[in-house]
Amino acid sequence: DIQMTQSPSSLSASVGDRVTITCRASQDINYFLAWFQQKPGKAPQSLIYAASTLHSGVPSKFSGSGSGTEFTLTISSLQPEDFATYYCQQYKTYPLTFGGGTKVDIK
Amino acid sequence: QVQLQESGPGRVKPSETLSLTCTFSGDSIKTYYWSWVRQPPGKRLEWIGYVSYSGTTNYNPAFQSRVSISIDTSRNQFSLKLTSATAADTAVYYCARQMGVLLDSWSQGTLVTVSS
Repeated sequence: DIQMTQSPSSLSASVGDRVTITCRASQDINYFLAWFQQKPGKAPQSLIYAASTLHSGVPSKFSGSGSGTEFTLTISSLQPEDFATYYCQQYKTYPLTFGGGTKVDIK
Repeated sequence: QVQLQESGPGRVKPSETLSLTCTFSGDSIKTYYWSWVRQPPGKRLEWIGYVSYSGTTNYNPAFQSRVSISIDTSRNQFSLKLTSATAADTAVYYCARQMGVLLDSWSQGTLVTVSS
């Protein structure tokens, strides 16, 4: 299975901050990477696929980059509604596998 | 906009079969795969497997010997069965729509506790 490692596992930030989360794959996954946002008690929401393509309706403050084994998710200006846990997930091969998550909370 | 909702027991006894059903609405069943994902407390998300409208399945090898996912196209439902449940199967279970290899819509999740 392809192992996905996210860093940091948690971070504290202020409204207006620029936040970057890193996701590393244990082998080359090309650009077959997705990002999800999850708030407590809610369904995960798809943010990005193909490493950098925003799902319909996702605001442009979210951006993704990377290919191969290293990827980043950036939130350009953190807003109160963005405090959540973020997960990366590879879909290069089955079984689909996820990172451990990055919890973004208020400083 | 697809909506997905799980149903099933919130508690299962060890060694019994964990069974959940997901009902979906607002979508064409033939276009997608229909998946189950779980998250044990404090652990990462785990993809369990999917079923297509024709009944074709693909399972995570970690669950291969214990899992069965089926579909009832007449009711817009698909179901998960996980046999020989143990405490390690305690988790929040999500059903999700899978477009190709992309998980693009998820249910809110239901906690299933394996305990006597």
